[in-house]
Amino acid sequence: GPKVLQIPSHQIIDMGQMVTLNCDPVSNHLYFYWYKQILGQQMEFLVNFYNGKVMEKSKLFKDQFSVERPDGSYFTLKIQPTALEDSAVYFCASSYAGGSGNTLYFGEGSRLIVV
Amino acid sequence: GEQVEQRPPHLSVREGDSAVIICTYTDPNSYYFFWYKQEPGAGLQLLMKVFSSTEINEGQGFTVLLNKKDKQLSLNLTAAHPGDSAVYFCAVSEDYAQGLTFGLGTRVSVFP
Repeated sequence: GPKVLQIPSHQIIDMGQMVTLNCDPVSNHLYFYWYKQILGQQMEFLVNFYNGKVMEKSKLFKDQFSVERPDGSYFTLKIQPTALEDSAVYFCASSYAGGSGNTLYFGEGSRLIVV
Repeated sequence: GEQVEQRPPHLSVREGDSAVIICTYTDPNSYYFFWYKQEPGAGLQLLMKVFSSTEINEGQGFTVLLNKKDKQLSLNLTAAHPGDSAVYFCAVSEDYAQGLTFGLGTRVSVFP
């Protein structure tokens, strides 16, 4: 079936440094998402993105977070600067259409450890 | 906002037996319901998408029941086999613009 690829699968980074998580969504998909899962907690919505713009973001999407997808390349989540509480698994997802009922396809997640 | 409680967190099932995972949600306006399966080292794989108008949904080797009165969504694995060993997540949505609300997940282990 359709696959979403995430790079890197794991990253350890010093607090205060910048990190970029990369997502290669399903090729014909137009809507892109990031979810965050802290160890032992539920996966939570961070942001969705369409047509070059953030459509919706949750309170977890701090000012230090940014997303972009320049010219059809990777959909990225950048955290600058990182904080200890950013340690989590970040899941990227994509869908062909937005709105309720459309199926999201998820990647395997990128495990970020901030030390 | 929406809250989703999923139980149990862990489930050990003998091969050939059935198993049930239940999610309870809070928002009566929830309209779309999903079950995802995550095998080790893999992404979340959609098992089934359920609309609020359909109470019984048959899949291959499982059934999803939606009880809107009690605001419960269940995944019933019938005749479990080793390939069913995974973490299962329920997710609920009123509107995608707000994102999916996930349960905590249930780790299912099928033993011979």
